[in-house]
Amino acid sequence: SQQGEEDPQALSIQEGENATMNCSYKTSINNLQWYRQNSGRGLVHLILIRSNEREKHSGRLRVTLDTSKKSSSLLITASRAADTASYFCAPSPTGANSKLTFGKGITLSVRP
Amino acid sequence: EAQVTQNPRYLITVTGKKLTVTCSQNMNHEYMSWYRQDPGLGLRQIYYSMNVEVTDKGDVPEGYKVSRKEKRNFPLILESPSPNQTSLYFCASSWTSGGAGDTQYFGPGTRLTVL
Repeated sequence: SQQGEEDPQALSIQEGENATMNCSYKTSINNLQWYRQNSGRGLVHLILIRSNEREKHSGRLRVTLDTSKKSSSLLITASRAADTASYFCAPSPTGANSKLTFGKGITLSVRP
Repeated sequence: EAQVTQNPRYLITVTGKKLTVTCSQNMNHEYMSWYRQDPGLGLRQIYYSMNVEVTDKGDVPEGYKVSRKEKRNFPLILESPSPNQTSLYFCASSWTSGGAGDTQYFGPGTRLTVL
């Protein structure tokens, strides 16, 4: 199964700064989702971008997708301490019954 | 409220003592899945189920069993737990396996320690 590879593994920024997280994948996809996990809790869906979309916004989140480079990025603008969490990308490969798979995640720390 | 519930939330057991972690969803989802999460290894899928009576192995199925006798429930069974199964376990559900862009809903997690 394909999983996304997030980069960097860990990111520490000051409150108010922007956080950029990247994800790369290997095969063609139908869509790609980003999830967030607060410490020890279940993952929560943040945003989905389809393969025919290049950019999508949701509040302070901006997701881009470059299918030619097989990569996606998640930008959190004006970060807050409450954004401290792990972030996962989950590409969904093309094909019947394709499964969403999760990578190792990015640990984001936002310092107050 | 749409949710996935897991029980127990915390469990400490000993090697070889059979245990079951229950998972239930109230969204009528067809797809359900179990993951384990270990430091440095991310989220790895153990088993998944496309629908009632349809289950299949994920990436790390050894030492686990599942059943899907009804749509809402997807229990994870450890017949003879070993210390290397100490982990944080998550159940998740969605309408489909992901190709259509369905959101996966996760349970709160079960922290299992096998001594």
